Amino acid sequence: NAGVTQTPKFRVLKTGQSMTLLCAQDMNHEYMYWYRQDPGMGLRLIHYSVGEGTTAKGEVPDGYNVSRLKKQNFLLGLESAAPSQTSVYFCASSDRGNEQYFGPGTRLTVT
Amino acid sequence: EDQVTQSPEALRLQEGESSSLNCSYTVSGLRGLFWYRQDPGKGPEFLFTLYSAGEEKEKERLKATLTKKESFLHITAPKPEDSATYLCAVRASGNNRLAFGKGNQVVVIP
Repeated sequence: NAGVTQTPKFRVLKTGQSMTLLCAQDMNHEYMYWYRQDPGMGLRLIHYSVGEGTTAKGEVPDGYNVSRLKKQNFLLGLESAAPSQTSVYFCASSDRGNEQYFGPGTRLTVT
Repeated sequence: EDQVTQSPEALRLQEGESSSLNCSYTVSGLRGLFWYRQDPGKGPEFLFTLYSAGEEKEKERLKATLTKKESFLHITAPKPEDSATYLCAVRASGNNRLAFGKGNQVVVIP
């Protein structure tokens, strides 16, 4: 089992550019989550999904969109990147909201 | 609003010097308390889930305990490979999300 995988691992964007981060899990988990982690701020929830075709806002959703078209995949989109979105992004999955299993992260820099 | 506070923020230990990390929480109906380990440049790695006061879980040199207001992660005779940031999170009843603390950064010196 690969667990939770994320692509890409690193990305540099210019202000105003768009991109999509892909998260995939092979554990047949219902729930999936996107977090960002910044120094001194801890993990903050961006959006999450409790099943295929469903999404919900987390703590810091502004500037991001998500889609869950397939159970195993959860996509995070930035339509117009801003320097404030420079961060490390983590995806996680869980079985009905219990312990979450995290991916390796994507380090995004917006210049 | 669910709140999780971890202390101390940073801790330096000599190899073999046991210590404890604290996670204080405020939640309306605890459905689970989770401990994770995070190494630099990597994603958090799940360690333990605790569900009710009095519960304890152990793994190698780590032992997690839970009361109605806080959890402790005891590190017994730590080794340099125990150096990491330890994250605490809680899940409230009726909630599908976790609230994370900011972590305890532990450095174990040989």
